[in-house]
Amino acid sequence: KQEVTQIPAALSVPEGENLVLNCSFTDSAIYNLQWFRQDPGKGLTSLLLIQSSQREQTSGRLNASLDKSSGRSTLYIAASQPGDSATYLCAVEAGANNLFFGTGTRLTVIP
Amino acid sequence: DARVTQTPRHKVTEMGQEVTMRCQPILGHNTVFWYRQTMMQGLELLAYFRNRAPLDDSGMPKDRFSAEMPDATLATLKIQPSEPRDSAVYFCASGLGSGRMNTEAFFGQGTRLTVV
Repeated sequence: KQEVTQIPAALSVPEGENLVLNCSFTDSAIYNLQWFRQDPGKGLTSLLLIQSSQREQTSGRLNASLDKSSGRSTLYIAASQPGDSATYLCAVEAGANNLFFGTGTRLTVIP
Repeated sequence: DARVTQTPRHKVTEMGQEVTMRCQPILGHNTVFWYRQTMMQGLELLAYFRNRAPLDDSGMPKDRFSAEMPDATLATLKIQPSEPRDSAVYFCASGLGSGRMNTEAFFGQGTRLTVV
């Protein structure tokens, strides 16, 4: 069964710093990988979707990379802002159209 | 603006009562997922539909949970009878799928269920 791990579980950084969130998965047979953001008490907002044939995707200050063979993805956030504070989840689509979620990284950007 | 709509946003009910949660997927999306989120288990897939047909509900306790799509604009998740351990946030998500792949999944705001 696919297992998705996110490290660290929590991260605090001062405003303006660049940061990297990590996601690893045990089975490289995935269709795609998606990064989500979840604010407290809210739903999940899709940030970036990387198909299995792609290496990276960029949206504004966010850049996500995918190394399928090593089972890893990173989400790079440039010039972090307090509004970036949230929980970030990665999910891989594998098997029968199932999204396997990590447990998330709780990010706090300190003004 | 296109979004997945879930109702109710919050529900408090007594143990043993029936609970029905509703989801309106994004117009044109043919795949609907139901997830449950708890602190202990994280996000778990309960069921998903493609073109209104249930494709996988193996994550759902069959004795008390049921999921349906009466039409393309409405998905329902019902719990009967509800138990305190069902307390969680239930998310609906929709997307476009063909074959074995889906495009980006869009999530609703969730229904926070508390069973007392």
